[in-house]
Amino acid sequence: GAVVSQHPSWVICKSGTSVKIECRSLDFQATTMFWYRQFPKQSLMLMATSNEGSKATYEQGVEKDKFLINHASLTLSTLTVTSAHPEDSSFYICSAWGQASNQPQHFGDGTRLSIL
Amino acid sequence: AQTVTQSQPEMSVQEAETVTLSCTYDTSESNYYLFWYKQPPSRQMILVIRQEAYKQQNATENRFSVNFQKAAKSFSLKISDSQLGDTAMYFCAFKLTGNQFYFGTGTSLTVIP
Repeated sequence: GAVVSQHPSWVICKSGTSVKIECRSLDFQATTMFWYRQFPKQSLMLMATSNEGSKATYEQGVEKDKFLINHASLTLSTLTVTSAHPEDSSFYICSAWGQASNQPQHFGDGTRLSIL
Repeated sequence: AQTVTQSQPEMSVQEAETVTLSCTYDTSESNYYLFWYKQPPSRQMILVIRQEAYKQQNATENRFSVNFQKAAKSFSLKISDSQLGDTAMYFCAFKLTGNQFYFGTGTSLTVIP
């Protein structure tokens, strides 16, 4: 099946640091990539949708200057949490989707971000 | 607006028994796709089963099957012969023909040995 690789899996860093998370589709071309944030025992909260070669569409309430998303190729999207603070600590999950309407999203394994 | 509702926040089932997780959705579209995802404690999202709205036959994947009632906009997941490894959060998801997906709030399933 389709494989999506997400790195790093766990990051611990000091407040004020910028953190980059990568999401790669390994065996298919991802027309669209999604970035989610998930709090413990809660559902996925969509942060933004990115289409290759164009600017990401952010959900209401998500700061685009805080969460920079780049989708420069059909196999790679990155999320950069700029000047991270403890309240940004969370579990971030990416997913990728091809072009076929009946295809599901394929998820990465997630990144646990802990800001001290 | 599209919505997905999972009305059971938590459920439990005895090992080897059968359990059904409910999901309802709301849309005015006629062509769409439905999915069930499983998120075990490892937090990896795993696709369990999918259903295309234009297909009347209910999808089946080994011990997992769905009861798709299009008129009622219901898409329940049945897990037969429950195993300890089925313990997880289960999310129902809905997709139109574009690239927008809608997720339910999830059902936490515990399989009791």
